[in-house]
Amino acid sequence: GQNIDQPTEMTATEGAIVQINCTYQTSGFNGLFWYQQHAGEAPTFLSYNVLDGLEEKGRFSSFLSRSKGYSYLLLKELQMKDSASYLCAAMDSNYQLIWGAGTKLIIKP
Amino acid sequence: ETGVTQTPRHLVMGMTNKKSLKCEQHLGHNAMYWYKQSAKKPLELMFVYSLEERVENNSVPSRFSPECPNSSHLFLHLHTLQPEDSALYLCASSLRSGTGANEQFFGPGTRLTVL
Repeated sequence: GQNIDQPTEMTATEGAIVQINCTYQTSGFNGLFWYQQHAGEAPTFLSYNVLDGLEEKGRFSSFLSRSKGYSYLLLKELQMKDSASYLCAAMDSNYQLIWGAGTKLIIKP
Repeated sequence: ETGVTQTPRHLVMGMTNKKSLKCEQHLGHNAMYWYKQSAKKPLELMFVYSLEERVENNSVPSRFSPECPNSSHLFLHLHTLQPEDSALYLCASSLRSGTGANEQFFGPGTRLTVL
């Protein structure tokens, strides 16, 4: 079956760095997405990886290892506004997104 | 503002009611999606429309009926729902379906409560 695993909740301190991991098992693979969702709001796109390696975009970076079925989202210089849920989604051979349940990130001052 | 709007934002209905959810996208996209989001569960893809034709229907009960009159509008018609259908219903759009690097833009969702 197809499956995405990510931690349910993480806590970090303002100004610090946090890494949110995601492992996936899909029928075929056409890329890995990360979305951010603040409570009561729409998910918004953060990153897309299809090749192995690290993609950096400002304070946020996303890494992919296709051979390991593994990705992580790295958030640097954490701000209070980064408190949100982070959704990992892998695209299968039919170009359908298979979603994880999301990681709720709590930032403490 | 993501360019995808949904109405209503909140809906409470009884199990015998009929209601409709509306989604509109102002991005010029050709693909639209309905998702169900329940607490602490992954997003569940319900329907996909590409160029106004339904291309995906993930074993959704017939009490949910989608309609896509044009590439900018998407409806979800609801009838004889069950309490377990209570959830956040999200609409999304993308430039096209069936390709990688296909960023989806989401609306704010309709919070549905079935009594």
